[in-house]
Amino acid sequence: EAQVTQNPRYLITVTGKKLTVTCSQNMNHEYMSWYRQDPGLGLRQIYYSMNVEVTDKGDVPEGYKVSRKEKRNFPLILESPSPNQTSLYFCASSISGPREKLFFGSGTQLSVL
Amino acid sequence: GQNIDQPTEMTATEGAIVQINCTYQTSGFNGLFWYQQHAGEAPTFLSYNVLDGLEEKGRFSSFLSRSKGYSYLLLKELQMKDSASYLCAVSSGGFKTIFGAGTRLFVKA
Repeated sequence: EAQVTQNPRYLITVTGKKLTVTCSQNMNHEYMSWYRQDPGLGLRQIYYSMNVEVTDKGDVPEGYKVSRKEKRNFPLILESPSPNQTSLYFCASSISGPREKLFFGSGTQLSVL
Repeated sequence: GQNIDQPTEMTATEGAIVQINCTYQTSGFNGLFWYQQHAGEAPTFLSYNVLDGLEEKGRFSSFLSRSKGYSYLLLKELQMKDSASYLCAVSSGGFKTIFGAGTRLFVKA
């Protein structure tokens, strides 16, 4: 089944404790992206990747890192999480870029205490 | 700046027709998407418009006017399962997609 797999689904952590949210797609998509969703603000883009080893900042990249060592994987890293990073996070992918429809993972609800 | 506006909430009756509007101001335009998002779930693709006019897909239709920076999503024969948030998104040039805050639709019996 074609899908974007995101883990974990829920995560509670404390300020400053490094964490990684994993994202994997099995559709051979070139483009992958991370979003955070906050009430009243909609989805905001954190980072995106056009292909292996090609990543760039979205609109809200501060406090986040990403890597794209393999085409299928695009992990999101929070090296020193802070409470303002408490949010619902979605990974998404598309065939070749933002002109194509996005396929979303099931989301990660992160709480930073 | 770049901005997408859509109503926060709408209520409609089962079996009726509802129109959800979206206006946008972006630095570039490579197409407009509508996504559906049920509570606690991921967004799923509904429609894509890149040229002016109406795109119809079953009970759902989407309209685009690029000169007016305006789109709407039309839902016909509303069902209870259509209660969800509807997200308007613009591929704004480069590699970015900008999302509106979403419209929560409540369908009542």
